[in-house]
Amino acid sequence: GESVGLHLPTLSVQEGDNSIINCAYSNSASDYFIWYKQESGKGPQFIIDIRSNMDKRQGQRVTVLLNKTVKHLSLQIAATQPGDSAVYFCAAWAPQKLVFGQGTRLTINP
Amino acid sequence: DGGITQSPKYLFRKEGQNVTLSCEQNLNHDAMYWYRQDPGQGLRLIYYSQIVNDFQKGDIAEGYSVSREKKESFPLTVTSAQKNPTAFYLCASSIGGQTGRLHFGNGTRLTVT
Repeated sequence: GESVGLHLPTLSVQEGDNSIINCAYSNSASDYFIWYKQESGKGPQFIIDIRSNMDKRQGQRVTVLLNKTVKHLSLQIAATQPGDSAVYFCAAWAPQKLVFGQGTRLTINP
Repeated sequence: DGGITQSPKYLFRKEGQNVTLSCEQNLNHDAMYWYRQDPGQGLRLIYYSQIVNDFQKGDIAEGYSVSREKKESFPLTVTSAQKNPTAFYLCASSIGGQTGRLHFGNGTRLTVT
């Protein structure tokens, strides 16, 4: 099976700084990874994804890095804004199902 | 706009009663999923369905049942056999297959007293 874990349950950053959220997965056969953002009382929203044939992918203010050697991925958010406050989940596809980590709560300090 | 609709947003039930949570999607997706989320926790898979009239148990299926009679609908019944039913329930859909992005509804918060 697959297990996914996040390194820190909470992360606090200053507004304008960059945020880095880390995630580890267990199944070396996992080949597709997704980051989601969840605001309070809502469902998770897709942020960015990456397949195992890539090691980096960039979106608008976000970058995902994948290190298959150590089974680790990270989400980088540039110039963090108050609207980035949320819980962030990484997820990895195991056969037939998407397995989620426990989430990192990102708090922005003014 | 296409999306996933879960209703109601809040649901209250007495212990011992079955309750059905609604999930409808108009994205024309083949696959649908139910996840449970407890405070401070990640999402745990209850049931999933890759096609109409077929579904499989996820990691925590005990005390739950589903049906998939129509492509757009995947209702979840929380039965009285579920020992700790109070939770936030999330429905999702995807195009299908074993990879792909899941699209989520905004959840139903179920409280059982």
